Amino acid sequence: DQQVKQNSPSLSVQEGRISILNCDYTNSMFDYFLWYKKYPAEGPTFLISISSIKDKNEDGRFTVFLNKSAKHLSLHIVPSQPGDSAVYFCAASASSDYKLSFGAGTTVTVRA
Amino acid sequence: SAVISQKPSRDICQRGTSLTIQCQVDSQVTMMFWYRQQPGQSLTLIATANQGSEATYESGFVIDKFPISRPNLTFSTLTVSNMSPEDSSIYLCSVGPSTGELFFGEGSRLTVL
Repeated sequence: DQQVKQNSPSLSVQEGRISILNCDYTNSMFDYFLWYKKYPAEGPTFLISISSIKDKNEDGRFTVFLNKSAKHLSLHIVPSQPGDSAVYFCAASASSDYKLSFGAGTTVTVRA
Repeated sequence: SAVISQKPSRDICQRGTSLTIQCQVDSQVTMMFWYRQQPGQSLTLIATANQGSEATYESGFVIDKFPISRPNLTFSTLTVSNMSPEDSSIYLCSVGPSTGELFFGEGSRLTVL
């Protein structure tokens, strides 16, 4: 039962443009959401998170938006850079439970 | 963030054998977890490694197949027992506070022939 879904397996974007990654979840108990970035042969690295009490969190080029009513979140990367080419995982957890549920990932390719 | 070292980084194993993966953290951590990422799949939680007691396994994972040890707050091992090709995956150690973001090791890529 996949509680976190990333329906786009891949995304190609030109350098300097915006990358938008989407994520949907089904568990209404989730109240903390994270994005991880993963390069080949490396473990996932934490990128940005958002609590359910917010609808937006920004950190440099990365902004995460949360729409609780739609059970949807998105990650915006502006401007996209070649070093952003990686697999991005969406994850979620409930404050009553420390476990993270992950989406299947979206492979981002930034073209020069 | 903690520095997490996993050994081995990769291995090729024969069907029916067992392999133990080690996870060493440079500081004491509250929570340690083991995840699996099968080819083209998401990360799936195998179990929570509990210090000084038996690990807590998720649905679909059992102690006989994935025995876990955690003798102290900086070290844990995961053994993949009686391996089959379906066990070919990346196995990831992760650590964190009681809630919030987790930090991951680089992973151990196992290929079972």
